[in-house]
Amino acid sequence: DTEVTQTPKHLVMGMTNKKSLKCEQHMGHRAMYWYKQKAKKPPELMFVYSYEKLSINESVPSRFSPECPNSSLLNLHLHALQPEDSALYLCASSQGDLNTEAFFGQGTRLTVV
Amino acid sequence: LAKTTQPISMDSYEGQEVNITCSHNNIATNDYITWYQQFPSQGPRFIIQGYKTKVTNEVASLFIPADRKSSTLSLPRVSLSDTAVYYCLVGDNSGGYQKVTFGIGTKLQVIP
Repeated sequence: DTEVTQTPKHLVMGMTNKKSLKCEQHMGHRAMYWYKQKAKKPPELMFVYSYEKLSINESVPSRFSPECPNSSLLNLHLHALQPEDSALYLCASSQGDLNTEAFFGQGTRLTVV
Repeated sequence: LAKTTQPISMDSYEGQEVNITCSHNNIATNDYITWYQQFPSQGPRFIIQGYKTKVTNEVASLFIPADRKSSTLSLPRVSLSDTAVYYCLVGDNSGGYQKVTFGIGTKLQVIP
């Protein structure tokens, strides 16, 4: 199984809602990532987890809260988002070694209204 | 973190070989060079990775000169389905894993 599965595929939420994005991989990868991608822009790194611990937070606002419950799962909790947070949110995983590829999910298309 | 520079866009006719060059002048000794392909509204897909000289797989070839300050992704005989954005990345090995950071990318348009 070389897939990274993200749910839901699409999400519409109001600015006062709380929602969560989920990501799952069963490749035994030790590093997991969240990216945000706006239209016609490259993916922007948000968070990196290594061995289930948060290793990198790229100065992401606190309305985005990541969680890694175990080595296969990665969540992104959303609260009080703004319309400008609408984007494609991508999850990825990698073995965690120096020369390995990252596998990406298909993303969650988030719309904040 | 080594910065990469690539052309913003390229056009090619079907059946031609396409070469996309990426500059990474301050690449570090331990850094690998990785290329990803992305179609609209999909996650990026790994194409190829290399450290030096030449790497070839069933999809592409990657040429890296001795000074490693640039690399060239070569796609043989492109088809319409190769229309996508291609990203060149240079690894940042801090923390013992690849900090996968994307540059602008090259939008390849394959023309019939």
